[in-house]
Amino acid sequence: DIQMTQSPSSLSASVGDRVTITCRASQTIYNYLNWYQHKPGKAPKLLIYVASSLQSGVPSRFSGSGSGAEFSLTISSLQPEDSATYYCQQTYSAPPITFGRGTRLEIK
Amino acid sequence: EVQLLESGGGLVQPGGSLRVSCEASGFSVFSSAMNWVRQAPGKGLEWVSNIRGTGDNTYYADSVRGRFTISRDRSKNTLYLQMNNLRAEDTAVYYCASTAVADTNHEYFQHWGQGTLVTVSS
Repeated sequence: DIQMTQSPSSLSASVGDRVTITCRASQTIYNYLNWYQHKPGKAPKLLIYVASSLQSGVPSRFSGSGSGAEFSLTISSLQPEDSATYYCQQTYSAPPITFGRGTRLEIK
Repeated sequence: EVQLLESGGGLVQPGGSLRVSCEASGFSVFSSAMNWVRQAPGKGLEWVSNIRGTGDNTYYADSVRGRFTISRDRSKNTLYLQMNNLRAEDTAVYYCASTAVADTNHEYFQHWGQGTLVTVSS
């Protein structure tokens, strides 16, 4: 199974900050990498698919990059509503589809 | 508008059974692969199972294989997860999600439900 390692596991940042979350796969997954935002009590929400494609309706301050085994999610200017947990997901080698353990983002 | 609505969660004793459902509107559950994903208390997202293809091929995480069965009903436009021999570690919010496929054949989970809580406890 492909393991997905996210870092950091949590972070705190201020409104307007630039924030980057990284995700590393245990082997190459080319660009079969997606990012989701999850808020408590809500349905997870797709942000980025195929490593860097922005899902329709998602603000342009979110961007994804990377290929092979190293990926990142960047929020260019943090907003209060971005407080959430963020997950990466690989769909290259499945089953099983695997998620990272999540990064909890807190707004100071 | 695509909507997924889970139901059927509740409290069940260890060793017991429960079936959770995911009713879809705005699209057919047969038009794409469908998934179950769970989140245990204080933990991250874990893929559980999916069903795909015209032959209804099914796939499971090792942690549930042999105990859980995924299925879908065309007339009710509903996805199911039959859970047998439940364990305390199956306690989680269970989400259904539909798979979308990009032009490049990459898959991702486009639509998600709000989840239903399953608690396994005596």
